[in-house]
Amino acid sequence: AQSVAQPEDQVNVAEGNPLTVKCTYSVSGNPYLFWYVQYPNRGLQFLLKYITGDNLVKGSYGFEAEFNKSQTSFHLKKPSALVSDSALYFCAVREYSSASKIIFGSGTRLSIRP
Amino acid sequence: KAGVTQTPRYLIKTRGQQVTLSCSPISGHRSVSWYQQTPGQGLQFLFEYFSETQRNKGNFPGRFSGRQFSNSRSEMNVSTLELGDSALYLCASKLQGTDTQYFGPGTRLTVL
Repeated sequence: AQSVAQPEDQVNVAEGNPLTVKCTYSVSGNPYLFWYVQYPNRGLQFLLKYITGDNLVKGSYGFEAEFNKSQTSFHLKKPSALVSDSALYFCAVREYSSASKIIFGSGTRLSIRP
Repeated sequence: KAGVTQTPRYLIKTRGQQVTLSCSPISGHRSVSWYQQTPGQGLQFLFEYFSETQRNKGNFPGRFSGRQFSNSRSEMNVSTLELGDSALYLCASKLQGTDTQYFGPGTRLTVL
């Protein structure tokens, strides 16, 4: 079965510093991986996805993610964090048999201090 | 284009009651999925509808049901509410043949 793991419940970064939110995956077949962000009292917003192609995927709001097949990882990164990046981040993988069923990780709360 | 809309945004019910939540997908999106978000279980897939037919179902009891109308709007119903049904219910839509789902703001259901 497809699954993703987010090993950190919380990540704290100073504004202006680079940030990384970690995600590892376990899949059958080719991975279809996603990152979503959730702000308080809001739904999930799509950030980026990896289907195939370049291992470095660029997304919204200056975020990017690096796909690493040998380490089965898909870490989310940003070169310079903003206070407004503080939110809950979810890594996700598409179910192998269904394009519409997404399996989410447990989420990582990102806190950016001024 | 307008995003995914969900109504109502907040609901308070008591145990044993039933509730209906509504979702309007992005124009042109015919696939609608529902997810439940709780602090304990995280985000879990409920079901997906496409062209008025349930195409996939998650591991939830039969008290959770849904339907989709010809205009792609979808409703989900929870009967005989339990305290554990308190959650944020998220609806997502996507274009057929693509992989990216777009989520609505959710309906916060509180069961007392």
